[in-house]
Amino acid sequence: NAGVTQTPKFQVLKTGQSMTLQCAQDMNHNSMYWYRQDPGMGLRLIYYSASEGTTDKGEVPNGYNVSRLNKREFSLRLESAAPSQTSVYFCASSSGTGTGVYEQYFGPGTRLTVT
Amino acid sequence: AQSVTQLDSQVPVFEEAPVELRCNYSSSVSVYLFWYVQYPNQGLQLLLKYLSGSTLVKGINGFEAEFNKSQTSFHLRKPSVHISDTAEYFCAVSQPLFGNEKLTFGTGTRLTIIP
Repeated sequence: NAGVTQTPKFQVLKTGQSMTLQCAQDMNHNSMYWYRQDPGMGLRLIYYSASEGTTDKGEVPNGYNVSRLNKREFSLRLESAAPSQTSVYFCASSSGTGTGVYEQYFGPGTRLTVT
Repeated sequence: AQSVTQLDSQVPVFEEAPVELRCNYSSSVSVYLFWYVQYPNQGLQLLLKYLSGSTLVKGINGFEAEFNKSQTSFHLRKPSVHISDTAEYFCAVSQPLFGNEKLTFGTGTRLTIIP
């Protein structure tokens, strides 16, 4: 069982470039999440998807788009990268949908630097 | 709105000594509380959670936490730490109405074990 996988592990972009971060889970989970982690700020929710075909904004959605491609995959796209988007990005998944409380399982993270 | 405060950004502790990592939350409604651990270069892993019932909850690796509603706290404790406990610890809160989709994380406490 791979759990939650993320690609790539590291990425360097120039300002204005675009890229897509990929996330996949093999636990048949319904909900998936994208967070960013910045020093001294903890993790902040960018977008989440409670089920296949649905996505909702989190705390810091500006500058990002997401796609829930199917139940397994949830991608995060930066259309025009900015230095402020330099961060570590984590994908997570959980079994619950709607108003349930279910443990979130995290991927290993993608370290993105925008110059 | 909910928020989480982890006042200690870094806590150094000698090996085999006890440790307490502090977490205070703010919410106008009832909450669910979580502690996550992040080992170096890894994603987050759930240590323990409080949903309801007994205010003392036990987690993995010998950690426990106590929910104190009057003090709006959820401090994490371990009676005797080991080198392997070196990691960053995050307290998180969600509201039952939103379940797990709306996790709010604290800024983290870096625990360093001194041999």
